[in-house]
Amino acid sequence: GESVGLHLPTLSVQEGDNSIINCAYSNSASDYFIWYKQESGKGPQFIIDIRSNMDKRQGQRVTVLLNKTVKHLSLQIAATQPGDSAVYFCAENTGGFKTIFGAGTRLFVKA
Amino acid sequence: NAGVTQTPKFRVLKTGQSMTLLCAQDMNHEYMYWYRQDPGMGLRLIHYSVGEGTTAKGEVPDGYNVSRLKKQNFLLGLESAAPSQTSVYFCASIMRQGKAGELFFGEGSRLTVL
Repeated sequence: GESVGLHLPTLSVQEGDNSIINCAYSNSASDYFIWYKQESGKGPQFIIDIRSNMDKRQGQRVTVLLNKTVKHLSLQIAATQPGDSAVYFCAENTGGFKTIFGAGTRLFVKA
Repeated sequence: NAGVTQTPKFRVLKTGQSMTLLCAQDMNHEYMYWYRQDPGMGLRLIHYSVGEGTTAKGEVPDGYNVSRLKKQNFLLGLESAAPSQTSVYFCASIMRQGKAGELFFGEGSRLTVL
């Protein structure tokens, strides 16, 4: 079906390379940050999260880095695979009830 | 488990018509949310609910109403649809005692208003 996010920033990487997706957040009061992955035609899926008292957290093939000084978040994907092709959203939580999403970045993985 | 289920998945409306989107979750989650997704704009929060019988406004509530009569269901209503409401709508839920941002999403409902 038709894709959402037709005018998103795009990152194109070669299969096997590492990917770095960046995100800037605006609310200095946010204390919880999340990365979501959205494949075409599906809802977003949780990847990894980090609290503001941490600056790095690792998962399986993914690492999230948080720089509170410049309000910057990044998602690193190691050994990128074709199945990683998707739109990636960073999100911030400001008080438990609401999660606010960024605009997203589209990742293309070239075989 | 079914998780979060949205119905209908696709709908075409004429301007001025009304409709209701249904979201159902079988995970006993307390919090439920409705987002809309438009090209290049990510997901924007329309309304949310922190429990049965409660609702609250999000970022873009105008033109929408919601109801949470049962814990497992969260309904999004459009009383008089406008072309600006053409979008993909996502429902999400989260456990009250779970991680503060780990939302579980439905597959989306694509609405076109002519």
